[in-house]
Amino acid sequence: DVKVTQSSRYLVKRTGEKVFLECVQDMDHENMFWYRQDPGLGLRLIYFSYDVKMKEKGDIPEGYSVSREKKERFSLILESASTNQTSMYLCASSLGRYYSPLHFGNGTRLTVT
Amino acid sequence: AQSVTQLGSHVSVSEGALVLLRCNYSSSVPPYLFWYVQYPNQGLQLLLKYTSAATLVKGINGFEAEFKKSETSFHLTKPSAHMSDAAEYFCAVNQGGTNAGKSTFGDGTTLTVKP
Repeated sequence: DVKVTQSSRYLVKRTGEKVFLECVQDMDHENMFWYRQDPGLGLRLIYFSYDVKMKEKGDIPEGYSVSREKKERFSLILESASTNQTSMYLCASSLGRYYSPLHFGNGTRLTVT
Repeated sequence: AQSVTQLGSHVSVSEGALVLLRCNYSSSVPPYLFWYVQYPNQGLQLLLKYTSAATLVKGINGFEAEFKKSETSFHLTKPSAHMSDAAEYFCAVNQGGTNAGKSTFGDGTTLTVKP
């Protein structure tokens, strides 16, 4: 079974802090994705990556950046956390084919105070 | 661009009753469609996927979905609901071309199962 591991389940940070959310997958998947999930807004794509050192903006990239130095690891960075970034963050991976489903981690619930 | 619409943000059924969760898609090319389930405080997991091999797709936990091109629908059904089916369900479509593998999700439907 594919395993996608997010380093933290719960995180509390202060406004203005730099925040790193880490995600690792163990199935050699080419594609990796970061979504945020908010009540009433569904899942919204922040950034995605099709290969090492490649990144593409999703639908809501403002206030975020990403890093993919190794194939198995995809990090989401909040340069200066704000209260409106309080959310559930979901990492996912998939094979490099358009019919491949996503495999999700268990999520990181981030609270910015 | 492809999109999906889930009709009904909340569905409530009695245990043992039929479950029907609705999803309509919009796509200019043959779509690749998925249903995912999310239990509280967990990530999403795949229930089933349509990749054009068969219009009736069977998934895990007794769920199935039928692809109907004429109706642009991919509704999820289960003949008899169980208490453990209570969760949030998401329909998704994968994009092709330069965005190959990128998924667009519906807003989700929360299923409640009453004893």
